[in-house]
Amino acid sequence: QQKVQQSPESLSVPEGGMASLNCTSSDRNFQYFWWYRQHSGEGPKALMSIFSDGDKKEGRFTAHLNKASLHVSLHIRDSQPSDSALYFCAASVGYNQGKLIFGQGTKLSIKP
Amino acid sequence: EAAVTQSPRNKVAVTGGKVTLSCNQTNNHNNMYWYRQDTGHGLRLIHYSYGAGSTEKGDIPDGYKASRPSQENFSLILELATPSQTSVYFCASGDAFGGVSQNTLYFGAGTRLSVL
Repeated sequence: QQKVQQSPESLSVPEGGMASLNCTSSDRNFQYFWWYRQHSGEGPKALMSIFSDGDKKEGRFTAHLNKASLHVSLHIRDSQPSDSALYFCAASVGYNQGKLIFGQGTKLSIKP
Repeated sequence: EAAVTQSPRNKVAVTGGKVTLSCNQTNNHNNMYWYRQDTGHGLRLIHYSYGAGSTEKGDIPDGYKASRPSQENFSLILELATPSQTSVYFCASGDAFGGVSQNTLYFGAGTRLSVL
């Protein structure tokens, strides 16, 4: 069983809408989270990190972390066609630890 | 922008053959990683390294070896390639002590490997 589980597997959102992606760790040791985005044919690129409980906002992207439930979410408002990509949640034991474990990904499609 | 270069970009190998995937980073990052990406599994960690001369096993190391001869270079070696190792392989680098970029990974463009 993967230590980092993402849902849903795929998501379709109309342009201008809100996309919500979820991630849960099954290992209480993993308490530091990142979101990565991968466009087709490219390597993943870091979107944002979140290490503390609550919300973290960067432009149209907001991450929310609940350490008690080991749940992290990513919300994308005013979704654009360029947001269509594979989104990965990643977790590690410490914010500066080398071993980063990824979830299986959520495929987001933004419909014009 | 951090730079990670993988070679080759595409590789076709025969079962039982030896395959070496190479990765070079110009970011002066301490940590380097090899992941494989398969549909339904996301990115799975094969090997990683904290610096020149060090290699650590990730979650799926069986059938793979790694080599870190210098800060810049990190190789993944398949001594006896099998069809189950057909996948897309990504190399990444990261600076665990990089301040606000703590542990952010920078990925290469990937190597698509087919083992026939």
